[in-house]
Amino acid sequence: DVKVTQSSRYLVKRTGEKVFLECVQDMDHENMFWYRQDPGLGLRLIYFSYDVKMKEKGDIPEGYSVSREKKERFSLILESASTNQTSMYLCASSSRLLVHFGDGTRLSIL
Amino acid sequence: DAKTTQPNSMESNEEEPVHLPCNHSTISGTDYIHWYRQLPSQGPEYVIHGLTSNVNNRMASLAIAEDRKSSTLILHRATLRDAAVYYCILSGFLVGSSNTGKLIFGQGTTLQVKP
Repeated sequence: DVKVTQSSRYLVKRTGEKVFLECVQDMDHENMFWYRQDPGLGLRLIYFSYDVKMKEKGDIPEGYSVSREKKERFSLILESASTNQTSMYLCASSSRLLVHFGDGTRLSIL
Repeated sequence: DAKTTQPNSMESNEEEPVHLPCNHSTISGTDYIHWYRQLPSQGPEYVIHGLTSNVNNRMASLAIAEDRKSSTLILHRATLRDAAVYYCILSGFLVGSSNTGKLIFGQGTTLQVKP
């Protein structure tokens, strides 16, 4: 079975901290994605990557950056965390047809 | 970018069929139609996908309109475990698709199943 693993299920950080969310997939997928999910707003795409070292902005990239140094790993970086970045973050990877999601990281910024 | 439109919520009685609609009038010719669902405290999980023809699997059926501008996810006998948010997603991973490599989520339909 394809597995998308997010490094933490729950994370608490303070405003101004630099925060790293890690995601690893084990199926050699080219495409990887970071979403955030908020009540009433659904899933919103932050960034995606279709190859190593390649990245494209999604709908809400402000305040975030990403890194894809290896095919299996896609990191989301909050350069200076703010309280409005408290959210559920979901990582996904995809083959040509199917998308696989991790179970999410619930991030709280205090 | 092609977008999808779904009702915000639907209700069903246990053991009865459920038809979840999705409109995608701007779908491009190479976009696949995917359905995912999300149970509480979990990431979305795959349900079914199709391109032009109707599809069946052990979880559900997918009925695609002839013009591909709409589709319907059919749960044949709803159970309490089917209560979730259902997302209709377009994705095109083929050369020439405007949505190559990108997922576009609808708002999702929250399905409530009553015992």
